[in-house]
Amino acid sequence: EAGVTQSPTHLIKTRGQQATLRCSPISGHTSVYWYQQALGLGLQFLLWYDEGEERNRGNFPPRFSGRQFPNYSSELNVNALELEDSALYLCASSLRQGTLSGANVLTFGAGSRLTVL
Amino acid sequence: SQQGEEDPQALSIQEGENATMNCSYKTSINNLQWYRQNSGRGLVHLILIRSNEREKHSGRLRVTLDTSKKSSSLLITASRAADTASYFCATDSWGKLQFGAGTQVVVTP
Repeated sequence: EAGVTQSPTHLIKTRGQQATLRCSPISGHTSVYWYQQALGLGLQFLLWYDEGEERNRGNFPPRFSGRQFPNYSSELNVNALELEDSALYLCASSLRQGTLSGANVLTFGAGSRLTVL
Repeated sequence: SQQGEEDPQALSIQEGENATMNCSYKTSINNLQWYRQNSGRGLVHLILIRSNEREKHSGRLRVTLDTSKKSSSLLITASRAADTASYFCATDSWGKLQFGAGTQVVVTP
């Protein structure tokens, strides 16, 4: 069974450009999470999609946006890139939407490293 | 902003020793999870403890949870060089998982 796949592995952009990152979840998983990990830092929650809808959003400006497609794959777009957007962007998928009795165990992809020059 | 904070930030031990790291969080949770990350790659899930549980074991891992103190600890017994990694706690607040800054563990032979 294929794991969570992310593309591209590396991406180099210049300030002001746009970046698009893609994620394919594990087959059968309906939830996709996006996290930003700047060098040497922890994971900052970006976005959570489930069943095609945005369920929650982290404390990031509107130029960070995304969507989830009918096949549950997802795309993260970052507009008007700034130098501080340079980071590892991690996508994760899970089987269940959060409920009182359920639990989301995340399976992560290897990440997309974005460098903004 | 981080929901959880790990302590210590870094830990250096020798093979065979135990490694203990702690996580404190701020809000009510459904469960708390621990993940491992090797060299800036994707994270791997280690263990989950629900809010109504106090202790859980998995192999060489032991996790405790104290909801009154909003804290958790991860103990790795008889550490190996392969345990060298960053360890993160993640709090699950009904679907939204937030991670701490992590504890970097180095195990030397």
